[in-house]
Amino acid sequence: QKEVEQNSGPLSVPEGAIASLNCTYSDRGSQSFFWYRQYSGKSPELIMSIYSNGDKEDGRFTAQLNKASQYVSLLIRDSQPSDSATYLCAVNKSGGSYIPTFGRGTSLIVHP
Amino acid sequence: SQTIHQWPATLVQPVGSPLSLECTVEGTSNPNLYWYRQAAGRGLQLLFYSVGIGQISSEVPQNLSASRPQDRQFILSSKKLLLSDSGFYLCAWSVLGSSRETQYFGPGTRLLVL
Repeated sequence: QKEVEQNSGPLSVPEGAIASLNCTYSDRGSQSFFWYRQYSGKSPELIMSIYSNGDKEDGRFTAQLNKASQYVSLLIRDSQPSDSATYLCAVNKSGGSYIPTFGRGTSLIVHP
Repeated sequence: SQTIHQWPATLVQPVGSPLSLECTVEGTSNPNLYWYRQAAGRGLQLLFYSVGIGQISSEVPQNLSASRPQDRQFILSSKKLLLSDSGFYLCAWSVLGSSRETQYFGPGTRLLVL
């Protein structure tokens, strides 16, 4: 079982819709969770972090964490073509070093 | 504010040639530094990380080495490049040393080995 799993996609949504990106992880003791956005040919950019169960909102982005079910999701409201990118989920391991484990990313395409 | 620089931005090298990629961080002290590689269509592979000057941990055996000669400088090297070394090399930094430690990435170096 991979430590951090994401559907590779592509996930295609129309402009203005809600895009829902999901991530599951295997280390039950994980404490920190991150979403990065990576445009084609560019480096990953941090867009959200979440540490507690529940929802965290930042503008059009909402991160959702459910530690009991070991999943974290990212919702993008009012999706725009500029949101088209690959979204990477990262999870910090429990104990020892806090180097995150990254999923392979989900490709999102927002079409006009 | 913190800034991370990488150079060069792109590099085309022949097989068997040496490699040196440099990463520097500004605006923070004593950062943790990381080298990742992202092959085409693949995920991020952690290559090396460093928690201080001269302290390097290697995650996977490979044709590469890393050094940290100064607090905010991290260098990735190879004596002889292989075709399989092609990829997008990313340097990242983090501070805090807790479970909330957050990584920030540099702009990356795209390496093509021919």
